[in-house]
Amino acid sequence: GDSVTQMEGPVTLSEEAFLTINCTYTATGYPSLFWYVQYPGEGLQLLLKATKADDKGSNKGFEATYRKETTSFHLEKGSVQVSDSAVYFCALTPFSGGYNKLIFGAGTRLAVHP
Amino acid sequence: DAGVIQSPRHEVTEMGQEVTLRCKPISGHDYLFWYRQTMMRGLELLIYFNNNVPIDDSGMPEDRFSAKMPNASFSTLKIQPSEPRDSAVYFCASSLMSAAGANVLTFGAGSRLTVL
Repeated sequence: GDSVTQMEGPVTLSEEAFLTINCTYTATGYPSLFWYVQYPGEGLQLLLKATKADDKGSNKGFEATYRKETTSFHLEKGSVQVSDSAVYFCALTPFSGGYNKLIFGAGTRLAVHP
Repeated sequence: DAGVIQSPRHEVTEMGQEVTLRCKPISGHDYLFWYRQTMMRGLELLIYFNNNVPIDDSGMPEDRFSAKMPNASFSTLKIQPSEPRDSAVYFCASSLMSAAGANVLTFGAGSRLTVL
């Protein structure tokens, strides 16, 4: 079945370091891909998305490119801040007309230190 | 819009008691989801509704769990009787299916349940 695999955390970085969180997926057809972020004590919120191959989603300095050839959607940020400390979830939704279900990865915890 | 509203935010109860969690989705959204989050199992989809109709409840752990959506603005998740292993954060989320087929979920802040 469809699934998402993320790199295990925690990822610990110093402020202004470069961030990469790896995400690969298994799916039939052409899924849409997402990154959600969960700050401490809060629900998940959408960070960025891409709906077709080679699309680049971006928001708040974060970017991810939909790579169909490598079935990947890695999250990157050039310079992280302490406020980016959170848990990041990669997710997909199968593209199957009328079907509407997000499949999440296990989440990767990011801790950024001053 | 105030977003997805969940209540209670925190619930502590004793084993065997009935627990009811409530959710008010964003007005106009046609999908509603209930998720459970634990350290051991991560995020699990329990059930989702489309236009108030349950579509997929395969994630509901057992008969002790039930969910209803009597109208477009309200849903409940009930656990009866509750057990310590039900302790988790329960999230409600809603979305509007776009014509392109990609959906964006808006999550509530969650209900943290502790069963003693």
